[in-house]
Amino acid sequence: AQSVAQPEDQVNVAEGNPLTVKCTYSVSGNPYLFWYVQYPNRGLQFLLKYITGDNLVKGSYGFEAEFNKSQTSFHLKKPSALVSDSALYFCAVGPKAAGNKLTFGGGTRVLVKP
Amino acid sequence: EPEVTQTPSHQVTQMGQEVILRCVPISNHLYFYWYRQILGQKVEFLVSFYNNEISEKSEIFDDQFSVERPDGSNFTLKIRSTKLEDSAMYFCASSEWGVGSGNTIYFGEGSWLTVV
Repeated sequence: AQSVAQPEDQVNVAEGNPLTVKCTYSVSGNPYLFWYVQYPNRGLQFLLKYITGDNLVKGSYGFEAEFNKSQTSFHLKKPSALVSDSALYFCAVGPKAAGNKLTFGGGTRVLVKP
Repeated sequence: EPEVTQTPSHQVTQMGQEVILRCVPISNHLYFYWYRQILGQKVEFLVSFYNNEISEKSEIFDDQFSVERPDGSNFTLKIRSTKLEDSAMYFCASSEWGVGSGNTIYFGEGSWLTVV
């Protein structure tokens, strides 16, 4: 069975500071990994994904994530956070074989203070 | 940019009533999904649909739930007899091919269902 853990319910960061949202996963073999963002009263917006290749993945709005196989992690990062980055962030893992289910982590609320 | 659209955005229904949530997936996508998010909780997979049949479903997706693609554009989720615990945000999603091929799933804005 596949699972995702986001150990922090909330992350607070000052505007302009680096932002990191943590994610670890458990899945058989190599995974497909995704990050989504949810703004208040909105749907889930795709940020980026890791499929294969370079461990550092760049996505929308200046976000990037690093796949670390040995630590089974896929942390989301942004070098300089904006107030508008305040939202709920979800990490998800997908199957590398048959199956079409994305399994989501519990979400991390990011609050960027001016 | 193509997007998944959902209607209604918010529906209030009485317990025991039938509800149909509607979705228009992205036009060239072949896989369709329903997920739900109970307030304050994680996003949960309900069902995936491909080639006019369910390809995978979760334990949440019991006999009270059904999905249908009644025409070439719409994808619906029906809850036959709603319960209080069905109150949640329901997200429709679609992908060009399956997630197992590394494809991205794109989500709609959600339909907020309140059962009273």
